[in-house]
Amino acid sequence: AQSVSQHNHHVILSEAASLELGCNYSYGGTVNLFWYVQYPGQHLQLLLKYFSGDPLVKGIKGFEAEFIKSKFSFNLRKPSVQWSDTAEYFCAAHSGGYNKLIFGAGTRLAVHP
Amino acid sequence: NAGVTQTPKFRVLKTGQSMTLLCAQDMNHEYMYWYRQDPGMGLRLIHYSVGEGTTAKGEVPDGYNVSRLKKQNFLLGLESAAPSQTSVYFCASSDPPGQETQYFGPGTRLLVL
Repeated sequence: AQSVSQHNHHVILSEAASLELGCNYSYGGTVNLFWYVQYPGQHLQLLLKYFSGDPLVKGIKGFEAEFIKSKFSFNLRKPSVQWSDTAEYFCAAHSGGYNKLIFGAGTRLAVHP
Repeated sequence: NAGVTQTPKFRVLKTGQSMTLLCAQDMNHEYMYWYRQDPGMGLRLIHYSVGEGTTAKGEVPDGYNVSRLKKQNFLLGLESAAPSQTSVYFCASSDPPGQETQYFGPGTRLLVL
């Protein structure tokens, strides 16, 4: 079955630390990949997405993600986090029609000043 | 341009009661979705619609019904609420043909006692 796995459920960092959140997917064919963010009390917002082309994707607020096909991975990175990055981050994927997204369980990030 | 809106924002039900959650989008999107978000499980697709008058089952459809009588609205119904349906419900919309971003509403928090 198609699935998306996020390895870290909770991450705690200090401001200016580097961030990498892992995401692996189990789709066998062409796959579209997304990272969404949910700030406290808010709805999901798109951070970045990968459909094709350059495997290094840049998103909003200084985030980037790298698609590594051989590893079925789409890890999210940010070189220096800020307190305002405190949020829950979701990796998602869909393959085929109707845009049906499969989400990972999410990673809660807490950034301390 | 309000995007995707959901009503109500919060609701408390007793076991066995019924209710309808309303989702509205003003982006003229063809596809609409209902998800539920539970701690540690990410978002799971309940039902979706690929156009006015159409609906289809997602990953966790049991106990829910949906209707898409107008293109801009997607209703989620609980005929007989159960405590297991305590969750946060998110609506989303997108355009075909299959590579488009989903836009999410602010969510409805439902507590079933």
